[in-house]
Amino acid sequence: KNEVEQSPQNLTAQEGEFITINCSYSVGISALHWLQQHPGGGIVSLFMLSSGKKKHGRLIATINIQEKHSSLHITASHPRDSAVYICAVVNNNDMRFGAGTRLTVKP
Amino acid sequence: DTGVSQNPRHKITKRGQNVTFRCDPISEHNRLYWYRQTLGQGPEFLTYFQNEAQLEKSRLLSDRFSAERPKGSFSTLEIQRTEQGDSAMYLCASSSIGFGELFFGEGSRLTVL
Repeated sequence: KNEVEQSPQNLTAQEGEFITINCSYSVGISALHWLQQHPGGGIVSLFMLSSGKKKHGRLIATINIQEKHSSLHITASHPRDSAVYICAVVNNNDMRFGAGTRLTVKP
Repeated sequence: DTGVSQNPRHKITKRGQNVTFRCDPISEHNRLYWYRQTLGQGPEFLTYFQNEAQLEKSRLLSDRFSAERPKGSFSTLEIQRTEQGDSAMYLCASSSIGFGELFFGEGSRLTVL
């Protein structure tokens, strides 16, 4: 079992829909990152959080430390949101990544 | 500063050859990380530096892999005697604090024939 599990693996949505991507982890962490990877490989950091909730534009990230779970929400999704979203946890001096969720938003 | 840069962007080599990748981080960042990503998978952590000191190495980093950051600025990742299983995207990232907000380069894609 991977230490960082994401669901779903693939997600297709219509433009305007509310999107939720989930991340569960099994190790103790000091922080959790949400990353966005576009075709071609470039990765952009979206959020780093260790508790509670953060919001940036249409993106919201939440984390529940007790339940070892985080969610990334996208409101009013748009085709330009199509990308792979990756959850990564910081554990001691190491970083473990989920396999990613491939999101496709159709116009 | 335009961000983290990596080169070459793509390297094709024959099995058994040595390859070296370079990463130039954001200049004021003292942390530099190397990751490897194979097709359809999330990145895997390889190693990281704080300034010139290599603080952590993943067990994925076999003795054929070596990374350096001699002056605490740019870093190189060398793979000796490449194998087909080394084919992957090698990603570099930097941050100003330990595992803080990460800034990634575009990656160096290695293809071993």
